[in-house]
Amino acid sequence: AQSVTQPDIHITVSEGASLELRCNYSYGATPYLFWYVQSPGQGLQLLLKYFSGDTLVQGIKGFEAEFKRSQSSFNLRKPSVHWSDAAEYFCAVLLYGGATNKLIFGTGTLLAVQP
Amino acid sequence: GAGVSQSPSNKVTEKGKDVELRCDPISGHTALYWYRQSLGQGLEFLIYFQGNSAPDKSGLPSDRFSAERTGGSVSTLTIQRTQQEDSAVYLCASSPSGQNYGYTFGSGTRLTVV
Repeated sequence: AQSVTQPDIHITVSEGASLELRCNYSYGATPYLFWYVQSPGQGLQLLLKYFSGDTLVQGIKGFEAEFKRSQSSFNLRKPSVHWSDAAEYFCAVLLYGGATNKLIFGTGTLLAVQP
Repeated sequence: GAGVSQSPSNKVTEKGKDVELRCDPISGHTALYWYRQSLGQGLEFLIYFQGNSAPDKSGLPSDRFSAERTGGSVSTLTIQRTQQEDSAVYLCASSPSGQNYGYTFGSGTRLTVV
């Protein structure tokens, strides 16, 4: 079955440090992959997406993610974290075909940023 | 409008009452989705609309839940005879037709059943 695993429930990093959030997926075909961010009381904002082509994708707010088919991973990275990056981050895979078109989300990683 | 608009932003209702949640998608977006977000359950898919039809309603948790979309635009999610376990944030999203797009989410409706 299609699924997304985010192994880290909670991560704390210091401001200015680098960040990597892990995401593993299970999907039989070529995956369409997404990272979303959710600030408290807000909806989800799209950070970046991968459909095909270059396996390193750039997103908004200085984030990037690398698709590794051999590891079934799509990890999110940022070289230098800002206090405003504190939020919850969700990885998702698009399940499509036939009658369906829906995002399957991981359980999220809550990021805290220390001054 | 510029984004996906949901109303109300907060709703408190008594157990057993019916509630209606509204979603105004981005103009021109043919696809519309409802998700539910609750502690312990994460983000759950409820229903997908393409135009006014719902080819995938597999995520609706019971027959107390229904949704409709009119004019290819506004959608209403209705929960009948609300239960405490229905308390959650209900998120709506829209996208252009096709797979090569991410969804744009609204800010959600926080439903509390007391």
